[in-house]
Amino acid sequence: NAGVTQTPKFQVLKTGQSMTLQCAQDMNHNSMYWYRQDPGMGLRLIYYSASEGTTDKGEVPNGYNVSRLNKREFSLRLESAAPSQTSVYFCASSPGHSTGGETQYFGPGTRLLVL
Amino acid sequence: GQSLEQPSEVTAVEGAIVQINCTYQTSGFYGLSWYQQHDGGAPTFLSYNALDGLEETGRFSSFLSRSDSYGYLLLQELQMKDSASYFCAVRPGYSTLTFGKGTMLLVSP
Repeated sequence: NAGVTQTPKFQVLKTGQSMTLQCAQDMNHNSMYWYRQDPGMGLRLIYYSASEGTTDKGEVPNGYNVSRLNKREFSLRLESAAPSQTSVYFCASSPGHSTGGETQYFGPGTRLLVL
Repeated sequence: GQSLEQPSEVTAVEGAIVQINCTYQTSGFYGLSWYQQHDGGAPTFLSYNALDGLEETGRFSSFLSRSDSYGYLLLQELQMKDSASYFCAVRPGYSTLTFGKGTMLLVSP
């Protein structure tokens, strides 16, 4: 099992460009999450999907959109990138939302630089 | 909302024992998790406490006191590979995890 995979690993964008970060998990988990990590800030939740067909905002959703494509895949889209979105983005999954949400499995991350 | 406090950095030597504290304020509480992250890597789950007391997993133990809104991660027989950042995270009810800002542990020979 690959666990949680993310593509791309690195990306450089110019201000105003758009891109989609892809995430997939093969653990048959119900819940999936997108975080950003900035130096000294820990992990901050952008959006999450408690189950297939649902998505909800997290702590820092502005400037992002998400799509839960199916049970395996959860993508994050930046419509018009800004330098403030330079960060490391992590996707995670967990067995369930109401039970098992405390144990999250993380992908390797996408390092994004917006110029 | 939720807020968590943990030290920004802790240093120790190989073979020693180190404790990383975490205090939290949250409107609802179902448990406290701990995650480890090596530099450049992904966070990995270490432990979860839903009830008061000590949970032991090998060299790592985690403690929770719900009445004091306090927990800690105890690392024994420290090894160089334990040098990493450690995050506590609260689960405020049937919702997501809120992470602390992390504690960088530096283990020296």
